[in-house]
Amino acid sequence: DADVTQTPRNRITKTGKRIMLECSQTKGHDRMYWYRQDPGLGLRLIYYSFDVKDINKGEISDGYSVSRQAQAKFSLSLESAIPNQTALYFCATSDLRADTQYFGPGTRLTVL
Amino acid sequence: EDQVTQSPEALRLQEGESSSLNCSYTVSGLRGLFWYRQDPGKGPEFLFTLYSAGEEKEKERLKATLTKKESFLHITAPKPEDSATYLCAVQEGDSWGKLQFGAGTQVVVTP
Repeated sequence: DADVTQTPRNRITKTGKRIMLECSQTKGHDRMYWYRQDPGLGLRLIYYSFDVKDINKGEISDGYSVSRQAQAKFSLSLESAIPNQTALYFCATSDLRADTQYFGPGTRLTVL
Repeated sequence: EDQVTQSPEALRLQEGESSSLNCSYTVSGLRGLFWYRQDPGKGPEFLFTLYSAGEEKEKERLKATLTKKESFLHITAPKPEDSATYLCAVQEGDSWGKLQFGAGTQVVVTP
């Protein structure tokens, strides 16, 4: 089984809808991250969390919110989706004693 | 503004034709430089971490090196299965886990 899982893997929605993307991990890592990837651009950090009570904004947090329900679960919400939020979304985890981040398989989100 | 620039954007190689990818960075106080491989429709897969100038890491046909301003990923005698996008990311000294990614180099190896 994969160490970092994301659901759903693909989602098509309409402008204005609320969307939640979920991430779960079995690696036992404390730190979790949400990134988006657009063609021709690098991965950009949306939010990150170093433990259940610690949530921080990343480079592009406007229009997004997150929830860290448990050490192993980190959800990303789009309160009112817009077309320029169409992208690939990746969750990642890392151990607090190491810097390497491990990525999930991604969610392809299309906002019409 | 801190930047991570990868070149070339795309690279087409014949099987067995060795080449190098470049990642240049301008962050102040590098904490670590990371290389990932990404296959289409999948998440980035960790390859290497480099921490100081002069450091080298190897894995199969891949070798990563680091200087004070750039890193190279050398692909020796590539095979078609080495086809992927290779991503470079840097972590600044006080950035507490945050990575800044380059746009990647797409490598295609033909038989």
